[in-house]
Amino acid sequence: GAGVSQSPSNKVTEKGKDVELRCDPISGHTALYWYRQSLGQGLEFLIYFQGNSAPDKSGLPSDRFSAERTGGSVSTLTIQRTQQEDSAVYLCASSSGLAPEQFFGPGTRLTVL
Amino acid sequence: GNSVTQMEGPVTLSEEAFLTINCTYTATGYPSLFWYVQYPGEGLQLLLKATKADDKGSNKGFEATYRKETTSFHLEKGSVQVSDSAVYFCALTLDNAGNNRKLIWGLGTSLAVNP
Repeated sequence: GAGVSQSPSNKVTEKGKDVELRCDPISGHTALYWYRQSLGQGLEFLIYFQGNSAPDKSGLPSDRFSAERTGGSVSTLTIQRTQQEDSAVYLCASSSGLAPEQFFGPGTRLTVL
Repeated sequence: GNSVTQMEGPVTLSEEAFLTINCTYTATGYPSLFWYVQYPGEGLQLLLKATKADDKGSNKGFEATYRKETTSFHLEKGSVQVSDSAVYFCALTLDNAGNNRKLIWGLGTSLAVNP
């Protein structure tokens, strides 16, 4: 009965470096979402995966952001050439797709120096 | 566009006081409505939900009623405890293309309950 897990819990990086954030959704959940929580912007949708369908990338803030979901389970969010404005908590959520509620992981706090 | 507006905090109450956190929304279509809570140092947890007009969501003594006529989903609790100190987020979701039910969030309301 594990919930959504994310790793790492904290990541400190230097400006210009690439980072990868991982999300492991609840087993059997077909829908997976990434959000960003920052002081200036609140909570923002980034990207949505549903089964084998093409992801909805409409929330990604720039082409430095990308995400993939392998085997319909684990997802990785990649940020290339990080900038200080990328500093935020990155949240992953999953959903069964049958009901509208989403269940969240603990988040990854990203700090770009 | 679709949006959620909730009352600004911080809200500070004494233990056993009555709590109301206002939330109103703008949406095209028929949204589902949620309250999520974030306790200090923890992740977001679903507190309660309502999926159609006049539904009442309830959990842990908290309640919210989906009011279509006033486009509101106000959170209430009759008697707060110190352990209710947290940030509360109102959110909505719609059935978008491809079943993308992305959550649209209010800015959050911080609640501090003093003993």
